[in-house]
Amino acid sequence: DGGITQSPKYLFRKEGQNVTLSCEQNLNHDAMYWYRQDPGQGLRLIYYSQIVNDFQKGDIAEGYSVSREKKESFPLTVTSAQKNPTAFYLCASSMGLVYEQFFGPGTRLTVL
Amino acid sequence: AQSVSQHNHHVILSEAASLELGCNYSYGGTVNLFWYVQYPGQHLQLLLKYFSGDPLVKGIKGFEAEFIKSKFSFNLRKPSVQWSDTAEYFCAVRNSGGGADGLTFGKGTHLIIQP
Repeated sequence: DGGITQSPKYLFRKEGQNVTLSCEQNLNHDAMYWYRQDPGQGLRLIYYSQIVNDFQKGDIAEGYSVSREKKESFPLTVTSAQKNPTAFYLCASSMGLVYEQFFGPGTRLTVL
Repeated sequence: AQSVSQHNHHVILSEAASLELGCNYSYGGTVNLFWYVQYPGQHLQLLLKYFSGDPLVKGIKGFEAEFIKSKFSFNLRKPSVQWSDTAEYFCAVRNSGGGADGLTFGKGTHLIIQP
């Protein structure tokens, strides 16, 4: 079954700790994305990557970091510099930038 | 920067009523347009998309949308809604001319269909 997996589904962390969210896809897509969803805010782009070893900042990249060492994987690290990290995080992928994006199930991060 | 406005944050309809959800975007030029739906407890999934050609596009589950370039609009329609259409609907735009290449989303419309 092709798709995008994100783990874990729920994540709790103490304030001041870095945390890494996993995103894996087996769709053979070149492009991958991270979005943040807050109630009443829609989705906002954090980072995206067109190909392996390349990534670009989105609209709200401050306090986040990513890597793209493998085509299938695009982990997102929420650092202690992110002022309001509690949110629902969605990973997506597409064949390329001009194609429709497919979304994973999301990770709900709560910082205590 | 591109922005997307969805006019109604909450919509409540009875089954069999007709639906129209508004979506307007701010930045002109060549755009790709999308409507995504998020059913309760499920992934965000694509309802329909417009890249070029016929401005009236048909999607899954009887949904359609019309791209009106002069109005910067891409409204979603369905002639007769069902209880199973209860979900959150997001309009999204991608500027195909460059810049950050993710999608810009509207804030979403929460649709509730009463049986």
